[in-house]
Amino acid sequence: EAAVTQSPRSKVAVTGGKVTLSCHQTNNHDYMYWYRQDTGHGLRLIHYSYVADSTEKGDIPDGYKASRPSQENFSLILELASLSQTAVYFCASSDEGGEDTQYFGPGTRLLVL
Amino acid sequence: GQQVQQSPPASLVLQEGENAELQCTYSTTLNSMQWFYQRPGGRLVSLLYSPSWAEQRGGRLTSSAASNESRSSLHISSSQITDSGTYLCAMERPNNNNAPRFGAGTKLSVKP
Repeated sequence: EAAVTQSPRSKVAVTGGKVTLSCHQTNNHDYMYWYRQDTGHGLRLIHYSYVADSTEKGDIPDGYKASRPSQENFSLILELASLSQTAVYFCASSDEGGEDTQYFGPGTRLLVL
Repeated sequence: GQQVQQSPPASLVLQEGENAELQCTYSTTLNSMQWFYQRPGGRLVSLLYSPSWAEQRGGRLTSSAASNESRSSLHISSSQITDSGTYLCAMERPNNNNAPRFGAGTKLSVKP
């Protein structure tokens, strides 16, 4: 079965601090995604990548950066965390972008105080 | 931008054994759709993936699409208590490297 892991699973951060969320997949997939989930909004795409060393902006990229140093790893970086970034963050991978099944990680619950 | 609307919009309560139909509508023509299931606090698990709007079946689940009406449905037959959770649809967007766009989800509660 496809495996996507995320770390940390939960985090408390202070406003203005830097937060890095990590995602690792062992599926050999080209595509990786970062989403945030808020009540009433479903999942919203922040950044995605279809090849190592390249990232693309999703629908809500402001306040977030992404890094894809290898095919297996995809990080989401909050340089200056804000209260509005409190959410659950999910990472996913797929073989052929939206033309294929997505496999999700367990999520990271981020609380910004 | 392209929007994905799910109905029932927020929640649905069923008695065990009843059938359910969840729907997604979208604002433009899209190529494929996928339905996901999520337990509270859990990861999303893909239920059915439909490329080119083909009907898909998996156990008690069936997804169907009417691309000319920009709508897709997930049918759950003979619902069970363990079906409770949130169901989300996702549509592929060909003009955005096929990155999926999700609906807000429908929370299904199946009562004994």
